Amino acid sequence: GNSVTQMEGPVTLSEEAFLTINCTYTATGYPSLFWYVQYPGEGLQLLLKATKADDKGSNKGFEATYRKETTSFHLEKGSVQVSDSAVYFCALSDPPGGYQKVTFGTGTKLQVIP
Amino acid sequence: NAGVTQTPKFQVLKTGQSMTLQCAQDMNHEYMSWYRQDPGMGLRLIHYSVGAGITDQGEVPNGYNVSRSTTEDFPLRLLSAAPSQTSVYFCASRGDNEKLFFGSGTQLSVL
Repeated sequence: GNSVTQMEGPVTLSEEAFLTINCTYTATGYPSLFWYVQYPGEGLQLLLKATKADDKGSNKGFEATYRKETTSFHLEKGSVQVSDSAVYFCALSDPPGGYQKVTFGTGTKLQVIP
Repeated sequence: NAGVTQTPKFQVLKTGQSMTLQCAQDMNHEYMSWYRQDPGMGLRLIHYSVGAGITDQGEVPNGYNVSRSTTEDFPLRLLSAAPSQTSVYFCASRGDNEKLFFGSGTQLSVL
């Protein structure tokens, strides 16, 4: 079956540091890939997505590139802010676009300190 | 535009009690779903619906029941609550481009 593996957290960074959160996936087809973010006390929000190999999703300074050869979708940001403190979930849908379930990773908690 | 609205935000039940978690969306989305979130396990799909009158099971359906009589509403029923159902529950609907819209969650404790 499909699965998503994320790096263990929590991740603690100083403000303006570089962020990488690793995500790898297993899927039977050619999935769409997503990063969702959950701020304290709230539901998840879509951060970015990519639908095919070599696509780069980007939003709010965050980026992730769909790497089919390594089955990865790592999240990066060049300079984090305190307001980026949240839990980040990698997810996939396979096959893309249909009424199939979305598979989520376990989440990685990011804490940014001033 | 309210998006996805869940009620209640918090609930404490005793083992064996029943209750209904409410979910409503005002975006005319056909697809709606329920997830539970547990530490170290991410989000797991309980049930989903692709339109009024159509529901199906997800990964962890046991102990839960759903129905979909209108496009807007997708309630989740716990028939006989157990401590293993202590969790945070999220309702989500899906719009264009596969984007999921989540409610703010219900924190449920079963004693």
